[in-house]
Amino acid sequence: NAGVTQTPKFRILKIGQSMTLQCTQDMNHNYMYWYRQDPGMGLKLIYYSVGAGITDKGEVPNGYNVSRSTTEDFPLRLELAAPSQTSVYFCASRIMTSGKETQYFGPGTRLLVL
Amino acid sequence: GENVEQHPSTLSVQEGDSAVIKCTYSDSASNYFPWYKQELGKRPQLIIDIRSNVGEKKDQRIAVTLNKTAKHFSLHITETQPEDSAVYFCAAKYSGGGADGLTFGKGTHLIIQP
Repeated sequence: NAGVTQTPKFRILKIGQSMTLQCTQDMNHNYMYWYRQDPGMGLKLIYYSVGAGITDKGEVPNGYNVSRSTTEDFPLRLELAAPSQTSVYFCASRIMTSGKETQYFGPGTRLLVL
Repeated sequence: GENVEQHPSTLSVQEGDSAVIKCTYSDSASNYFPWYKQELGKRPQLIIDIRSNVGEKKDQRIAVTLNKTAKHFSLHITETQPEDSAVYFCAAKYSGGGADGLTFGKGTHLIIQP
C-alpha cells in the first residue's frame, strides 16, 4: 500500500490564483482530514470527512473548500489564494473502527503565496 | 472547542538522560490523547497514544501518563538517543461522535546533545 499520498509537493501561487491540493489513500479508510501547519506551530484542522459525500468544517475552514466523491480521494480547493494561506498542508486518514484512532499522514504540500 | 497547551517549546537534554514534555487540555470530554513525532521536513508519525480509561502506557523507552482530574498528560522518553531529536506534538480529541479531528499543541523541539 502507498498509504496517503499528496500532490504537488511544492507550489508557488500568486495572490488571487486558485489551485487544488490532491490527497489519495489506498487503505479504504472512511475518515479523511486536511490540516495546515504554519512555521513553528502545531497542526490546525481545516476540514474533515467521515465518508464519501460527507464533509464538515474544522477549526480554520475560511478560504478553503473540499469534496469527497470517492472513499479514496479528498481534494482541498483554494479559490482566491492569500498570503495568509502560505503553509504546509497535510492530509490524513483513519479507519472507522471503535478503538482505532490512529491518523496516518501524507507527506505534505508546501504552499507559498506571493 | 478544545485547546491544548504544550510545554516547553524547546528542550535540550544530554544523550542518555530523560526528557519530559507536558500538555494540558481544556475540554473534559476529550478522551483520546496521541503523541506525534515530526522530523524536519517530514510528516507527523504517531509514537504513542492513551485513552482516558488508562492512567499510563509504556512502549519501550517511551511512556505517556494522563491525569484526567488535572486535565494534563505527559510524554516521557528515557535513555535518549540522537535519533530522538525531532519536534513532538501532543493532541487531544473526543472519540465518541460529533465533531472529529485532532487539536494539537504547538510542539516541543527536542534536542539531544551528544
